[in-house]
Amino acid sequence: KQEVTQIPAALSVPEGENLVLNCSFTDSAIYNLQWFRQDPGKGLTSLLLIQSSQREQTSGRLNASLDKSSGRSTLYIAASQPGDSATYLCAVRPTNFGNEKLTFGTGTRLTIIP
Amino acid sequence: DAGVIQSPRHEVTEMGQEVTLRCKPISGHDYLFWYRQTMMRGLELLIYFNNNVPIDDSGMPEDRFSAKMPNASFSTLKIQPSEPRDSAVYFCASSIMARPEAFFGQGTRLTVV
Repeated sequence: KQEVTQIPAALSVPEGENLVLNCSFTDSAIYNLQWFRQDPGKGLTSLLLIQSSQREQTSGRLNASLDKSSGRSTLYIAASQPGDSATYLCAVRPTNFGNEKLTFGTGTRLTIIP
Repeated sequence: DAGVIQSPRHEVTEMGQEVTLRCKPISGHDYLFWYRQTMMRGLELLIYFNNNVPIDDSGMPEDRFSAKMPNASFSTLKIQPSEPRDSAVYFCASSIMARPEAFFGQGTRLTVV
């Protein structure tokens, strides 16, 4: 059974710093990995989708990397801003065709201190 | 597109009452998912549909929960009878096979008292 872990559960950093969020998964047979952001009381917003054949994806100040063989992904946020404060979740999708059952991590609550 | 639309946004009901949550997926998406989020268990997949057909309902906690998708643009999640432990945020999400990237609605916060 796939298990996804995100450490740390919470992180506070001063504005302007670069930071890395971690996601690890136990079964490396994944189709892709998706990073989401969730603001308090809101739904999930997709940030980046990285396919199993890819090593990284970039969107603006965000960069996601994937090391499938070691079961790890990182989300790098450059020049953090107070607006980046949110909970960040990663989720993996299995490889078998038609199986869309995402397994989510428990999330990292990020606070950017102005 | 307006994205995935869920209603109501908030629901407060008494134990034993029937609760119906509604979802309109993004037009053209052929997968629809129902998730539940709690502090204790995080995000859990309850059930998902492909082309209106339930594919995996192994996450549905018990027979009190049922989900339907009568057409490509509408789905319901029903709890009957509701219990306080059902209190959670319920999310609907949709995706398309051509690009399996899930898009989530804003959620329905359910409180059963």
